[in-house]
Amino acid sequence: QKEVEQDPGPLSVPEGAIVSLNCTYSNSAFQYFMWYRQYSRKGPELLMYTYSSGNKEDGRFTAQVDKSSKYISLFIRDSQPSDSATYLCAIRTGGFKTIFGAGTRLFVKA
Amino acid sequence: AAGVIQSPRHLIKEKRETATLKCYPIPRHDTVYWYQQGPGQDPQFLISFYEKMQSDKGSIPDRFSAQQFSDYHSELNMSSLELGDSALYFCASSLAGDNSPLHFGNGTRLTVT
Repeated sequence: QKEVEQDPGPLSVPEGAIVSLNCTYSNSAFQYFMWYRQYSRKGPELLMYTYSSGNKEDGRFTAQVDKSSKYISLFIRDSQPSDSATYLCAIRTGGFKTIFGAGTRLFVKA
Repeated sequence: AAGVIQSPRHLIKEKRETATLKCYPIPRHDTVYWYQQGPGQDPQFLISFYEKMQSDKGSIPDRFSAQQFSDYHSELNMSSLELGDSALYFCASSLAGDNSPLHFGNGTRLTVT
């Protein structure tokens, strides 16, 4: 079992929809959670960073962490075609190691 | 804001040649990381450096080596290149500590022919 599981999609939604992206992880000791957005041929761009259970909001993006279920989510409100990208969850596992989910490819149709 | 700078952006090499990739971290970031990303794959951790010392090692082949210099920039040296080494190579930087997220550069696309 991988330490971080993420459905690779693809996920296709109409413009304006609410998007829900999810990851599960295996180790309850993990504490620091990130979401990255990656456009084709570009580096991953940090979107959200959280370290506690609950919600963190930044504009149209909300990151949610449920440590009891070992489940993290990223919600995108009022999705736009420019949100079309691959979204990667990532977890700092302690020390200098960060592990990534497989990434979910999102397509937002105009 | 200054970001992580990688050079070159693109590199084409032949089998058995060597390649050197460079990374300049965000100012004041003391930790650099190297990742390899194949097509449709998530980034795979290769190696990291903190204060010029290797801090962690992932799936880096023995043919590869890396170092961090006194100005905190890092170089990834790749020898005896194989076709399977063709990938995007990302550098990331952060402050030390679990509560500091990684910030990535735009990568070097290496093609081995």
